[in-house]
Amino acid sequence: DAKTTQPPSMDCAEGRAANLPCNHSTISGNEYVYWYRQIHSQGPQYIIHGLKNNETNEMASLIITEDRKSSTLILPHATLRDTAVYYCIAVKTSYDKVIFGPGTSLSVIP
Amino acid sequence: GAVVSQHPSRVICKSGTSVKIECRSLDFQATTMFWYRQFPKQSLMLMATSNEGSKATYEQGVEKDKFLINHASLTLSTLTVTSAHPEDSSFYICSGLGTSRSTDTQYFGPGTRLTVL
Repeated sequence: DAKTTQPPSMDCAEGRAANLPCNHSTISGNEYVYWYRQIHSQGPQYIIHGLKNNETNEMASLIITEDRKSSTLILPHATLRDTAVYYCIAVKTSYDKVIFGPGTSLSVIP
Repeated sequence: GAVVSQHPSRVICKSGTSVKIECRSLDFQATTMFWYRQFPKQSLMLMATSNEGSKATYEQGVEKDKFLINHASLTLSTLTVTSAHPEDSSFYICSGLGTSRSTDTQYFGPGTRLTVL
């Protein structure tokens, strides 16, 4: 699976959009980009995933660059409950196992 | 949909005893389940991959005789920490492999906090 790189921490004002970047420059053609988040002392929560097209669901939007070497997770209107560690992962379709990196610790500030 | 439960949510035990943690997929069948361990301020570390009806595959450095995994049905996997010691105290998280938009996706349980005295 491709290695991903994320900033260790970010702040976002409550009510504003949170844009979390992820670099996956070595991603291969059959690897999806998945995003999870982990709120303190809970299990990770699936957010969204994509292959090459931009995706949107009730939680977030995922923007993948045309060359697929990076992506951005967008939380359109961040709330205090969005404070969490966000993990970006690139895995093949078989999804046999996932290696979690350190992620980005997002703090939403009132 | 795609809910995974774990039981117990937290457990405290004495050194030398064994502890069993259950992981259930509530609304989907999980042929494959994963077990992770997370120490404070660290990321999740994959311990093993569990496939229904077959032996689990353990990651390097994880003792299979100490962390016994049983995946006897499509909705239940168990992790037994045998002869637990204080260094086994950790947050144990399982996940089940489900499907989202026709793509394999892991769904995680809420975790089990194990404290060994």
